[in-house]
Amino acid sequence: DADVTQTPRNRITKTGKRIMLECSQTKGHDRMYWYRQDPGLGLRLIYYSFDVKDINKGEISDGYSVSRQAQAKFSLSLESAIPNQTALYFCATSGVDYGYTFGSGTRLTVV
Amino acid sequence: AQSVTQLDSHVSVSEGTPVLLRCNYSSSYSPSLFWYVQHPNKGLQLLLKYTSAATLVKGINGFEAEFKKSETSFHLTKPSAHMSDAAEYFCVVSAGGSYIPTFGRGTSLIVHP
Repeated sequence: DADVTQTPRNRITKTGKRIMLECSQTKGHDRMYWYRQDPGLGLRLIYYSFDVKDINKGEISDGYSVSRQAQAKFSLSLESAIPNQTALYFCATSGVDYGYTFGSGTRLTVV
Repeated sequence: AQSVTQLDSHVSVSEGTPVLLRCNYSSSYSPSLFWYVQHPNKGLQLLLKYTSAATLVKGINGFEAEFKKSETSFHLTKPSAHMSDAAEYFCVVSAGGSYIPTFGRGTSLIVHP
């Protein structure tokens, strides 16, 4: 099994719909992150969490929310999807040794 | 505050020739620096990392990078490119114990036969 698992791998949704992207990790790390990737922009941080009770906004949190259900689970929600949220989304986790491990990504298309 | 600039959006080399991907960083604290690679339709794989130990860091697949504090640079090199090296490369900084990585915009490496 992968260290960081993202579901779904691909999703097409309609404008205005609520959608949740899920992430689970088996590394036992406290720190988890959500990024989006757009061509030419690299990866930009949406939200991060350093433990179950700690949630922080990243640089592009508008239109997104997160839930840290357990140490191993960190979900990203789009409350009302819009086309410019079409992107590749990555979940990551890290330990104290700065070892960041990424999931395989969720490709989201909003039509 | 921290930031990272990848100086080239695209680098094109011939197979068997050296590779140089340039990265400059800005950080208020001692940085940890990373290079990640992303092959088409794949996730991100760690190539190497610098976390205040030796300034010359060796990674996987023959890549290495040198941390130069005076130049605030962390350039990625490889002596001889292989076709399988064609991918997107990201330079990443995480500073001051923040554990919040900031990504560069990426450099697309193109390898010609």
